[in-house]
Amino acid sequence: EAGVAQSPRYKIIEKRQSVAFWCNPISGHATLYWYQQILGQGPKLLIQFQNNGVVDDSQLPKDRFSAERLKGVDSTLKIQPAKLEDSAVYLCASNQLNTEAFFGQGTRLTVV
Amino acid sequence: GENVEQHPSTLSVQEGDSAVIKCTYSDSASNYFPWYKQELGKRPQLIIDIRSNVGEKKDQRIAVTLNKTAKHFSLHITETQPEDSAVYFCAARTNSGYALNFGKGTSLLVTP
Repeated sequence: EAGVAQSPRYKIIEKRQSVAFWCNPISGHATLYWYQQILGQGPKLLIQFQNNGVVDDSQLPKDRFSAERLKGVDSTLKIQPAKLEDSAVYLCASNQLNTEAFFGQGTRLTVV
Repeated sequence: GENVEQHPSTLSVQEGDSAVIKCTYSDSASNYFPWYKQELGKRPQLIIDIRSNVGEKKDQRIAVTLNKTAKHFSLHITETQPEDSAVYFCAARTNSGYALNFGKGTSLLVTP
């Protein structure tokens, strides 16, 4: 089966600029997650969607981060304005209820 | 929320030796414990998982043990090979509707 697709793979922006990441989950997977992985650390959940509804966004910095999953399939994660500490790999994952979570390749963001 | 701690942060073994990575979790309601392997620049990939109704699970050279009373679980890799070199993450989840909480990772180096 096709995996979780993410784009772009890499992005370099200046602080205070905006950036958007895109994720296409595995077909049929109702649950989609966005994780932030800072270098040397484990992935940290930013937001979880079930179909097109938000299940958990308690760790999403809502003053600058936003995410949507229109039509319950693709999702976009946006940062505006970016800060230096947002430099990380942004991982998208998806699964069906109570099954293995599959990760995309991630988008490596560098904020300079 | 769930807090997962992982030790050690780095581990170096000689080829053929065994490697053990340990994790503890805080939420006694957690019932699913996967282990992911992440090679440099690649996506995390599930290598083995265990559910709370099982105490041990094996898959060839890899095994996971779970002690629910002590709230800890461990990954055991026997007969290590250089291709086992990677970062390993443990994770925990309270129920099928929620996201994984990850440990900070263990960087395993297997030297020939």
